[in-house]
Amino acid sequence: GESVGLHLPTLSVQEGDNSIINCAYSNSASDYFIWYKQESGKGPQFIIDIRSNMDKRQGQRVTVLLNKTVKHLSLQIAATQPGDSAVYFCAENPSDDYKLSFGAGTTVTVRA
Amino acid sequence: KAGVTQTPRYLIKTRGQQVTLSCSPISGHRSVSWYQQTPGQGLQFLFEYFSETQRNKGNFPGRFSGRQFSNSRSEMNVSTLELGDSALYLCASSPGWGTDSEAFFGQGTRLTVV
Repeated sequence: GESVGLHLPTLSVQEGDNSIINCAYSNSASDYFIWYKQESGKGPQFIIDIRSNMDKRQGQRVTVLLNKTVKHLSLQIAATQPGDSAVYFCAENPSDDYKLSFGAGTTVTVRA
Repeated sequence: KAGVTQTPRYLIKTRGQQVTLSCSPISGHRSVSWYQQTPGQGLQFLFEYFSETQRNKGNFPGRFSGRQFSNSRSEMNVSTLELGDSALYLCASSPGWGTDSEAFFGQGTRLTVV
């Protein structure tokens, strides 16, 4: 079946630098996308979402970009902090499908 | 506003037993979804309930079942447990699907089958 995937399984970032986490999706029917952060021993935490009628959305220190032409999603984290170390998942929701399909996740490690 | 609450947090069961996990969604949320998370398969969708009706089901055997009550609380049951059922089971609640689709997760129930 169609699935959401991430380009890189791991990402090491220097504290204070910006992070970019990428995700490719294959279901052209998806119209809603979410980024989650999961810390060890915890459930996924909602970070930011974007709908298919937008190409950019900004939150606090985070920006999500959506390129529907190439089915690509990215999460940018500004001024990465040690607390940003976690596994990041992108998820897509095909229209009227009542479920989220998750990518494999990118483990972000922030170096002091 | 309280978050999604899952109980118990940890469970150890023996092969062949059955188990019931519970999820209380965020107040006012009517949709509850269940996911299984394993290192090998990642996050996989189990099923989704809205107003006590199952609206979608993932590719899991019939040993996995669930239900939702009138107060939106949900339970999932796994019968005849297998070693491969060891996983983190996550529940997510959402106001609904469509305009307000943000899904918020609980901390999960860590099930270990021995």
